[in-house]
Amino acid sequence: SQTIHQWPATLVQPVGSPLSLECTVEGTSNPNLYWYRQAAGRGLQLLFYSVGIGQISSEVPQNLSASRPQDRQFILSSKKLLLSDSGFYLCAWTDDGQLPSIYGYTFGSGTRLTVV
Amino acid sequence: RKEVEQDPGPFNVPEGATVAFNCTYSNSASQSFFWYRQDCRKEPKLLMSVYSSGNEDGRFTAQLNRASQYISLLIRDSKLSDSATYLCVVRTGNYQLIWGAGTKLIIKP
Repeated sequence: SQTIHQWPATLVQPVGSPLSLECTVEGTSNPNLYWYRQAAGRGLQLLFYSVGIGQISSEVPQNLSASRPQDRQFILSSKKLLLSDSGFYLCAWTDDGQLPSIYGYTFGSGTRLTVV
Repeated sequence: RKEVEQDPGPFNVPEGATVAFNCTYSNSASQSFFWYRQDCRKEPKLLMSVYSSGNEDGRFTAQLNRASQYISLLIRDSKLSDSATYLCVVRTGNYQLIWGAGTKLIIKP
């Protein structure tokens, strides 16, 4: 069965520090991978999606970046965090070949990031 | 106007009651619609897709009203375990998925 792992679960980082969040998927190959952010009281915002190794599409301009060094690994990074980067970060995957899936996403358990 | 709007709630409902909430969308070309459930501090999970003719899954019924541009979710015989935030998702084009901010539901014993 397919599983998605995301870590860490919570993170408190000072302004200006770097960030690295990792997501891995097991039990499938060539998944479509996504990074979402959910701010308090707001809908999920798509940050990045990837259809394959080294292929990254950005949905919104920000000081974040994403990389996909392996087929089932997706990394969200920042060189210098801002206060506004605080939020709930979710990794998700789909495997139906469409962007984004019409059948819905499977999400990781999320990382709650607080920038102080 | 937001592309997808939901009443944030909370809806406080006694156990066993029926509750319904709507989600309005602004893009008339929207193609697919979903309801997700999100428990407190957890990831969203797909509850059900919404089909044009309406669909039912146990105690849950989803409906689409294209003329008025909204979808609805009805929960019958509500259980304590139904307490969660319900997220509306609208697919507007080839790759755009727009998420509502969610409606919080609290079922009380």
